[in-house]
Amino acid sequence: DSGVTQTPKHLITATGQRVTLRCSPRSGDLSVYWYQQSLDQGLQFLIQYYNGEERAKGNILERFSAQQFPDLHSELNLSSLELGDSALYFCASSVALHMGSSTDTQYFGPGTRLTVL
Amino acid sequence: AQTVTQSQPEMSVQEAETVTLSCTYDTSESDYYLFWYKQPPSRQMILVIRQEAYKQQNATENRFSVNFQKAAKSFSLKISDSQLGDAAMYFCAYRRAVSSGSARQLTFGSGTQLTVLP
Repeated sequence: DSGVTQTPKHLITATGQRVTLRCSPRSGDLSVYWYQQSLDQGLQFLIQYYNGEERAKGNILERFSAQQFPDLHSELNLSSLELGDSALYFCASSVALHMGSSTDTQYFGPGTRLTVL
Repeated sequence: AQTVTQSQPEMSVQEAETVTLSCTYDTSESDYYLFWYKQPPSRQMILVIRQEAYKQQNATENRFSVNFQKAAKSFSLKISDSQLGDAAMYFCAYRRAVSSGSARQLTFGSGTQLTVLP
């Protein structure tokens, strides 16, 4: 158990819908990362938050957005869903006590399996 | 941009034997971190081992060790005394060393599916 929790475990929805994935980082971790794992694209970085602020964006679609709340949990919002959005979405967290720290390691949650029908 | 290549989509090893998984990467930076993550059928991503590029000594974690060749940009994972529980997808990942405010995302290879034969 990495200490990172993600809900829900599974999500089945229809095209055009909107869903919210939730992540709670390990206790004390300030950084949260979202990754997408799909069969055709592999594991791809989506977005990173540090202590409530967006720090980096990867291959995240405009239909997707995220935020990190004051209690440090994060939500990934996916809207206007398409069949191709079906994937496993991971959240990871790291200590990053301050952004100058270079030794933090990312620990992954169990993932949310999204199926778009 | 950094890229990570795992050229072996699948590998198999006999239980109790040793296997080596290959990984190469491309970067123009001199300081960075490399990782191996394991993804068993449960789909959980589990950190196996990490290596700091500035360290010449290869990292080891019990039965897992790496062969880090910085000049060749190669980072292979050796699993000794393979066990049935080692069967999983293994991902090599790169992360640049960061300064304040920099991004810390991981760049992953495409993975190697390891089968352990009894």
